[in-house]
Amino acid sequence: DTGVSQDPRHKITKRGQNVTFRCDPISEHNRLYWYRQTLGQGPEFLTYFQNEAQLEKSRLLSDRFSAERPKGSFSTLEIQRTEQGDSAMYLCASTDFRGLSYEQYFGPGTRLTVT
Amino acid sequence: AQTVTQSQPEMSVQEAETVTLSCTYDTSESDYYLFWYKQPPSRQMILVIRQEAYKQQNATENRFSVNFQKAAKSFSLKISDSQLGDAAMYFCAYTDSGGGADGLTFGKGTHLIIQP
Repeated sequence: DTGVSQDPRHKITKRGQNVTFRCDPISEHNRLYWYRQTLGQGPEFLTYFQNEAQLEKSRLLSDRFSAERPKGSFSTLEIQRTEQGDSAMYLCASTDFRGLSYEQYFGPGTRLTVT
Repeated sequence: AQTVTQSQPEMSVQEAETVTLSCTYDTSESDYYLFWYKQPPSRQMILVIRQEAYKQQNATENRFSVNFQKAAKSFSLKISDSQLGDAAMYFCAYTDSGGGADGLTFGKGTHLIIQP
């Protein structure tokens, strides 16, 4: 069990550019979640996958955001035409829903700074 | 929609003392799960303790215990014998038993300072 990993850990981009983040969940976990955390706040849910299916999206996930989880393994979160308001920590978490514990294991996050 | 409220933005405690962090939540569900997560500076979030709403017994994990008051919708975390390594942001979180379709709902967090 190597834990949840995220790449990159830090990303600085200019407004208007596209960025893509990757999350590798714990291998046997079938659910994968994306959250956004801004300074001084708790994480806010963005979207989640069960295997390869994206089952829920928050209203926070604007049309500029898209997430995929091909083959039910790693996931990517892409932000198009970044805005300064997108600056935040993007967290990924996974869980084995079949275990019914609902405990989510978090990765270290990707800190995005839009200049 | 469910909400989680942590009314203490910051708490300070002397090393080896006991501290209690408060959390209240609002839900219309009868079956749900509550969590306390710890987020050390620049490190990833880890689970401290979990409570199932259907269990009357309060959860304990070594020096960490909760006071779960279902009727009052209160879920406080008690840390006994505080250690320097306990310094972190602590987040209270909720999910319903529907499988977490909306993910975890977090409070704004409490910054815990441990004074040596």
